[in-house]
Amino acid sequence: EVQLVQSGAEVKKPGTTVKISCKVSGYTFSDHFMHWVRQAPGKGLEWMGLIDPEDGETVYAEKFQGGVTITADTSADTTYMELSSLRSDDTAVYYCATGSPVASTAYWGQGTLVTVSS
Amino acid sequence: SSELTQPPSVSVSPGQTARITCSGDTMPKQYAYWFQQKPGQAPVLVIYKDTQRPSGIPERFSGSSSGTTVTLTISGVQAEDEADYYCQSTDTTVTYVIFGGGTKLTVL
Repeated sequence: EVQLVQSGAEVKKPGTTVKISCKVSGYTFSDHFMHWVRQAPGKGLEWMGLIDPEDGETVYAEKFQGGVTITADTSADTTYMELSSLRSDDTAVYYCATGSPVASTAYWGQGTLVTVSS
Repeated sequence: SSELTQPPSVSVSPGQTARITCSGDTMPKQYAYWFQQKPGQAPVLVIYKDTQRPSGIPERFSGSSSGTTVTLTISGVQAEDEADYYCQSTDTTVTYVIFGGGTKLTVL
């Protein structure tokens, strides 16, 4: 069974950095890209970027280029998403999602709530 | 940049058919995927590659595609189908993932 388990909720001050982890099990980590998607309170899904765990190559949505860093540790079957210069409008639930042979975002983590508040 | 447009809300009575549309210029070229999201939960894939249903998803969920519009159809809607539904695709360069704005399905 494919499982994605994310790190716990975070409360951060504006201007700081948050790093969220997503540990996978149930499949070969390098077989599928890992995506990060966020959802602000009461809002829709927003794609942030992806990483190919096999070679570490990343693609970021234009909005997040320069502010987000996605990495992968193949020895730990874990991917990380780091968001810097946090603002109040970065308050959201952040999801990792990975693929299957049928869809690039077939499986999702449980989500990590990041609250940015002074 | 590419966009996917969904109606903000759809309402149906139990047992009726709900149709949720998703329109975008990329649709004729790229596959669409549909997700169901209930409050406080992660999205769940209900349709992939326009028309295919993952194992475990009830047969009342189906997808179709015509031109620049894809449609998620839920036949014989049940109370448990009340949720937000999102379409997903990629831009024309197949570089970026894009989501529609989401549709809230209300079962009256």
